[in-house]
Amino acid sequence: GEDVEQSLFLSVREGDSSVINCTYTDSSSTYLYWYKQEPGAGLQLLTYIFSNMDMKQDQRLTVLLNKKDKHLSLRIADTQTGDSAIYFCAEINPYNAGNMLTFGGGTRLMVKP
Amino acid sequence: EAGVTQSPTHLIKTRGQQATLRCSPISGHTSVYWYQQALGLGLQFLLWYDEGEERNRGNFPPRFSGRQFPNYSSELNVNALELEDSALYLCASSSLAGGADTQYFGPGTRLTVL
Repeated sequence: GEDVEQSLFLSVREGDSSVINCTYTDSSSTYLYWYKQEPGAGLQLLTYIFSNMDMKQDQRLTVLLNKKDKHLSLRIADTQTGDSAIYFCAEINPYNAGNMLTFGGGTRLMVKP
Repeated sequence: EAGVTQSPTHLIKTRGQQATLRCSPISGHTSVYWYQQALGLGLQFLLWYDEGEERNRGNFPPRFSGRQFPNYSSELNVNALELEDSALYLCASSSLAGGADTQYFGPGTRLTVL
């Protein structure tokens, strides 16, 4: 079945850029998402990208998609302590998987002051 | 505009009991999804309801069931609770069925089975 993988942990200093990476196996994925989860909370949608796009920018967030390598990344510019959270990438292929999101295991981002 | 709401926030049950979790979607959304976030297992898809019908089901036993009401709110029922059912249960809603549409999540219900 489809698989989505992320590194477990990333530590950066406040003000630096953070880059969180994700790889997926389903070449038919149509949409790819980034969600943020703070302790004890639900998932907050950060951004998403369609599979026919290479890049999407939204304020401090930049998403890059390399379809050939099935690699997705999220860059957070000027990382703040409030960005400390777990970040999940997720993919969906509605034609095969009936609208279910398949999530990576999450990357814990720690921002040091 | 109100987001997805879930109740209760926390639920404590004992093995063998039944749990009922509730979800209200964003106004105008007709699809509701349930996911389980268990420690060590990540986020796993449970159920998808749209227009009152179950559209897709994840790899969970039949004691996990649910329904969607005419106002598009939804219930998740877990029968014969087991210790490993302890998890955060997340509900999401979206506005389109049949095609991928962005899913917005609620704050979750933390179920603890003792």
